[in-house]
Amino acid sequence: EIAMTQSPASLSGSPGEKITLSCRASQSVSSSLVWYQQKPGQAPRPLIYDASTRATGVPARFSGSGSGTEFTLTISGLQSEDFAVYYCQQYHNWFSFGQGTKLEIK
Amino acid sequence: QVQLQESGPGLVKPSETLSLTCTVSGYSISSDSYWGWIRQAPGLGLEWIGTIHHSGSTDYNSPLKSRVTMLVDTSKNQFSLKIRSVIAADTAVFYCVRAPNADYADYWGQGILVTVSS
Repeated sequence: EIAMTQSPASLSGSPGEKITLSCRASQSVSSSLVWYQQKPGQAPRPLIYDASTRATGVPARFSGSGSGTEFTLTISGLQSEDFAVYYCQQYHNWFSFGQGTKLEIK
Repeated sequence: QVQLQESGPGLVKPSETLSLTCTVSGYSISSDSYWGWIRQAPGLGLEWIGTIHHSGSTDYNSPLKSRVTMLVDTSKNQFSLKIRSVIAADTAVFYCVRAPNADYADYWGQGILVTVSS
């Protein structure tokens, strides 16, 4: 099984700030990686798939990069609605999720 | 607009069978796509349980394989999940999802909390 590790576990940010979240795979997953956003009481929502492609309706301030074992999700210009938990998931070999990064308001 | 809705009992006794159904609207389950179940234990992360194609072919998460069955009913545009011999650790919010190419989940149901308790 491919293990996914996200860092940091939690992060504080201010509106307007640029932040970066990281996700590392225990072995190469090529570009088979998706980022989800989950708000309290809601289902996760896909933001970025294939490591760097924005899902339909996702604002341009969200961007993803990386391949192989190292991936990043960048939010350029935090907005109030962005404070949530972010998960990465690989789909190269079965499916496995990271443990999540909680983004809180500073 | 693709919509998914989970239904089933919210409480299951230990050792019994958890049964959930996902009703899909706005999209034919017979179209070339995969469908799946993902669970999230309270306050914890996400676990993919399995996927099913409209043809009936399935793929289950190895640790759960001996206890899980997924079925599809194209006439009702539904698919289902059964987990046998449940224990307290199976308590979770269960989501049904669409995974177009058996990759990531692009549409999710709202989730249903299933508690395993006597």
